[in-house]
Amino acid sequence: GENVEQHPSTLSVQEGDSAVIKCTYSDSASNYFPWYKQELGKRPQLIIDIRSNVGEKKDQRIAVTLNKTAKHFSLHITETQPEDSAVYFCAASPAGGSNYKLTFGKGTLLTVNP
Amino acid sequence: DAMVIQNPRYQVTQFGKPVTLSCSQTLNHNVMYWYQQKSSQAPKLLFHYYDKDFNNEADTPDNFQSRRPNTSFCFLDIRSPGLGDAAMYLCATSTGQGTNEKLFFGSGTQLSVL
Repeated sequence: GENVEQHPSTLSVQEGDSAVIKCTYSDSASNYFPWYKQELGKRPQLIIDIRSNVGEKKDQRIAVTLNKTAKHFSLHITETQPEDSAVYFCAASPAGGSNYKLTFGKGTLLTVNP
Repeated sequence: DAMVIQNPRYQVTQFGKPVTLSCSQTLNHNVMYWYQQKSSQAPKLLFHYYDKDFNNEADTPDNFQSRRPNTSFCFLDIRSPGLGDAAMYLCATSTGQGTNEKLFFGSGTQLSVL
């Protein structure tokens, strides 16, 4: 089955700096890579996703890059703000699969210091 | 405007005493999922319902059962909780109308076993 490794487990940055979270996956059949954000005491929410026919996707200050050859994908947050502080989860699922095939990483606790 | 509601937020039970966690949704989604998340670990899918069709993950212990009496409600029953079952339990939904869909999570129920 799929195995998703996520690094780092904790990340602390100064407000305004960039943050990068990296994930690797094992199943070359995986084709869909969402990122979820979970603020303290709140529910996980989808913030961005990418499919394997795309190498990069951007949404305002958030971008995700995908390298299918190396089987890794990354979340980039620019101009970080204190409200970006949360736990971020990457995930992977196979092409044409359903959400029940989604495998999550262990999460990264991002702290943005004012 | 909560769309996936879990009750209670915190549940304490005794070792071996059956416990039921509740999830309701106002989204009219076809699919409902139960995830288990232990501290510093990735969410792990226990099972999901597509309408009334129950789908169990191969490694979900028999101690865990689920019921979905109607579209809106889904229950997680733990027949004989052990200390190792202490975790956050997340309910999620998706429309079921496509592949790799967005998951809508509830806020979770933190279960403690004494």
